[in-house]
Amino acid sequence: EPEVTQTPSHQVTQMGQEVILRCVPISNHLYFYWYRQILGQKVEFLVSFYNNEISEKSEIFDDQFSVERPDGSNFTLKIRSTKLEDSAMYFCASSRSGAYSNQPQHFGDGTRLSIL
Amino acid sequence: QQQVKQSPQSLIVQKGGISIINCAYENTAFDYFPWYQQFPGKGPALLIAIRPDVSEKKEGRFTISFNKSAKQFSLHIMDSQPGDSATYFCAATTTPILSGNTPLVFGKGTRLSVIA
Repeated sequence: EPEVTQTPSHQVTQMGQEVILRCVPISNHLYFYWYRQILGQKVEFLVSFYNNEISEKSEIFDDQFSVERPDGSNFTLKIRSTKLEDSAMYFCASSRSGAYSNQPQHFGDGTRLSIL
Repeated sequence: QQQVKQSPQSLIVQKGGISIINCAYENTAFDYFPWYQQFPGKGPALLIAIRPDVSEKKEGRFTISFNKSAKQFSLHIMDSQPGDSATYFCAATTTPILSGNTPLVFGKGTRLSVIA
């Protein structure tokens, strides 16, 4: 069964450094998402992406965050200047396109980001 | 109004028993309610989902009950097994007007432990 893959599984970065989290969505999916889960808390939506542009973003997704689909397979989340509170598990998800319907969002296994 | 409240936070059930997890929402625009199962070190995986036009949906041992007037929905796991031990998240979202994607709003999760 096709799956969403994320790399790396764990990233340790010094505060203030830039970090890029990578995702390979399921190949025939058109919608891509990033969510994050701070330890012990709920999964929170960050951003969704379709047709090479952001569809929707939450208040968490401020100017330090950016997303990109640099080629036909990868989808990346960049955090420009990391802060301690960015430490979390980051999940990438993808879904098909469905008019007037919700297509299931398939999640990767996440990247654990630790900011020191 | 965007919140989904989930309870209990943790649950211990004997093997063969029924596990019940409850969620409540405020936003009446929500019309799609998925449940996700998450094992340690893995991303959330879609388990079962329901729309408000039905009051119950069953898939194998998993049943969602939905009460539209009370704005509540619950997951029942019949004949609970040790392999069901995981964290369960309820979520809610709206149906896209055209093709599209809508962010999931997650509950805080319930850690289920099924003991023999």
